[in-house]
Amino acid sequence: EPEVTQTPSHQVTQMGQEVILRCVPISNHLYFYWYRQILGQKVEFLVSFYNNEISEKSEIFDDQFSVERPDGSNFTLKIRSTKLEDSAMYFCASRATQNTGELFFGEGSRLTVL
Amino acid sequence: AQSVTQPDIHITVSEGASLELRCNYSYGATPYLFWYVQSPGQGLQLLLKYFSGDTLVQGIKGFEAEFKRSQSSFNLRKPSVHWSDAAEYFCAVGARAAGNKLTFGGGTRVLVKP
Repeated sequence: EPEVTQTPSHQVTQMGQEVILRCVPISNHLYFYWYRQILGQKVEFLVSFYNNEISEKSEIFDDQFSVERPDGSNFTLKIRSTKLEDSAMYFCASRATQNTGELFFGEGSRLTVL
Repeated sequence: AQSVTQPDIHITVSEGASLELRCNYSYGATPYLFWYVQSPGQGLQLLLKYFSGDTLVQGIKGFEAEFKRSQSSFNLRKPSVHWSDAAEYFCAVGARAAGNKLTFGGGTRVLVKP
């Protein structure tokens, strides 16, 4: 069964460092998403991406964040200068169609900022 | 804006007993509704979804949910809980408009007693 894969599964970084989280969505999917879950809290929407551009982003997704689909298969989330409060589990998701498709989530990348 | 409330943060249930998890949503029209399950350290797995039609939907692992428009609810049920059902359960609502991000509730953690 096709699945969304994310790397790394866990990354520890120092505050102020740049981090790139990688995702390989399901191959025929068109819509891509990043969500995050701070420990013990709800899953929060960060950004959606379609047709090589951001279609929607939340208040959390400020100038420190960026997304890219550099090669037609990977979908990356970059945090330019990490802060302690960026520590969270980051989930990538993809969707095949716009209106009826479910989101398929990856296993998540745990980011720990020290 | 869409929102989801899961009133119960924790539920403890005995193995073999029935389980009902509550979910209330706020959305201006008929939404898409989902239940996801998250086992410790794992990603989000879709249990079931409602798009249209029959308001009682069947999902995987013996779960079902009923959409009640009058109550803005989408409660999840299972007649007989197994120890492996111990996990966190998230209700989510998706807009039928373009972009179609999901908004998650705060989650309900289910503990199963032997």
